[in-house]
Amino acid sequence: EAQVTQNPRYLITVTGKKLTVTCSQNMNHEYMSWYRQDPGLGLRQIYYSMNVEVTDKGDVPEGYKVSRKEKRNFPLILESPSPNQTSLYFCASSDRLAGVNGNEQFFGPGTRLTVL
Amino acid sequence: RKEVEQDPGPFNVPEGATVAFNCTYSNSASQSFFWYRQDCRKEPKLLMSVYSSGNEDGRFTAQLNRASQYISLLIRDSKLSDSATYLCVVISPYNFNKFYFGSGTKLNVKP
Repeated sequence: EAQVTQNPRYLITVTGKKLTVTCSQNMNHEYMSWYRQDPGLGLRQIYYSMNVEVTDKGDVPEGYKVSRKEKRNFPLILESPSPNQTSLYFCASSDRLAGVNGNEQFFGPGTRLTVL
Repeated sequence: RKEVEQDPGPFNVPEGATVAFNCTYSNSASQSFFWYRQDCRKEPKLLMSVYSSGNEDGRFTAQLNRASQYISLLIRDSKLSDSATYLCVVISPYNFNKFYFGSGTKLNVKP
């Protein structure tokens, strides 16, 4: 089954404790992206990756890191989480240039993160 | 100014009604637009792309108005299962890898 998986699905942590949210897709997609969703603000793009070892900042990259060592995986790293990073996080993947080709972005189920 | 703006609703309509949402975008150079559907904090899923000439998929019609910089989604013969939040998405005209989502319009279809 074609899918995007994220782990963990729920996480409660404390300020400053490094964490990683994993994202994996089995569709051989070149493009992957991370978003955060907050009430009233919609989904905001954190980072995206056009292919292995190629990543770039979205609109809200501060406090986050990513890596793309393999095509299927795109982990999101919070080196020192803070309460303002409490949010619902979505990973997505698509064919390259999904935006211009009108290709669908496939989203993972989401990770609900709470930073105390 | 936000790249994309939507009326948050909720729009409460009876089954069988026709309902329309608009979404305004700020950059007149934008070329690519989509509507996604999101159920109760689940993952968003593509509903339809929006083409310059407009497009229709069953009960759903999407249109683009470049002069006024908005896209619209029309749902005819609403079903209970249409209850969801509808997200407008605009692609940056300068970087096709950057996606801007609206905050969503909530639709409640009631029996």
